[in-house]
Amino acid sequence: QKEVEQNSGPLSVPEGAIASLNCTYSDRVSQSFFWYRQYSGKSPELIMSIYSNGDKEDGRFTAQLNKASQYVSLLIRDSQPSDSATYLCAVYILTGGGNKLTFGTGTQLKVEL
Amino acid sequence: IAGITQAPTSQILAAGRRMTLRCTQDMRHNAMYWYRQDLGLGLRLIHYSNTAGTTGKGEVPDGYSVSRANTDDFPLTLASAVPSQTSVYFCASSDGPNYGYTFGSGTRLTVV
Repeated sequence: QKEVEQNSGPLSVPEGAIASLNCTYSDRVSQSFFWYRQYSGKSPELIMSIYSNGDKEDGRFTAQLNKASQYVSLLIRDSQPSDSATYLCAVYILTGGGNKLTFGTGTQLKVEL
Repeated sequence: IAGITQAPTSQILAAGRRMTLRCTQDMRHNAMYWYRQDLGLGLRLIHYSNTAGTTGKGEVPDGYSVSRANTDDFPLTLASAVPSQTSVYFCASSDGPNYGYTFGSGTRLTVV
């Protein structure tokens, strides 16, 4: 089992719709969770962080965390073509060298006109 | 502007040659990381440094070495490049587990 799993997509949504991106993780003791956005040919950019169960909202983005189910999601409301990118879920996991941020392989989102 | 600078932006390298990818940050972050990103495989950790003077091996360290002489610089060296090292390389830094990582703009390396 991969430590952080995401559906690779592509996930296609119409402009103005809600995009829902999902991620599961294997380490029950993980405490910090992040979502990154990566445009084609660019570096990952941090867009959301979440540490407690429940929802965290920032503009059109909402991160949701359920530690009991080991599940974290990202909702994008009123999706725009500029939201088309790959979204990476990242989870801090304790390794032999200390805490390391482990990334999923990403979900490609396409927002269609 | 505070951040991470990587150089070069891209490079075509002959197999067997030695190459150092440079990474410099001005945020005074203790931890720094090198990742490679390949299609379908995502970001894979090559080496890391939790603080100046220390380094550790990540998921795919073979063929790569790093040093951390000071807080700001974390170069990655390929001693003898092979075509399987063709990839996009990202340097990142962190101020601790609650802050995520900040990434540099990447180096696209092609080994022929």
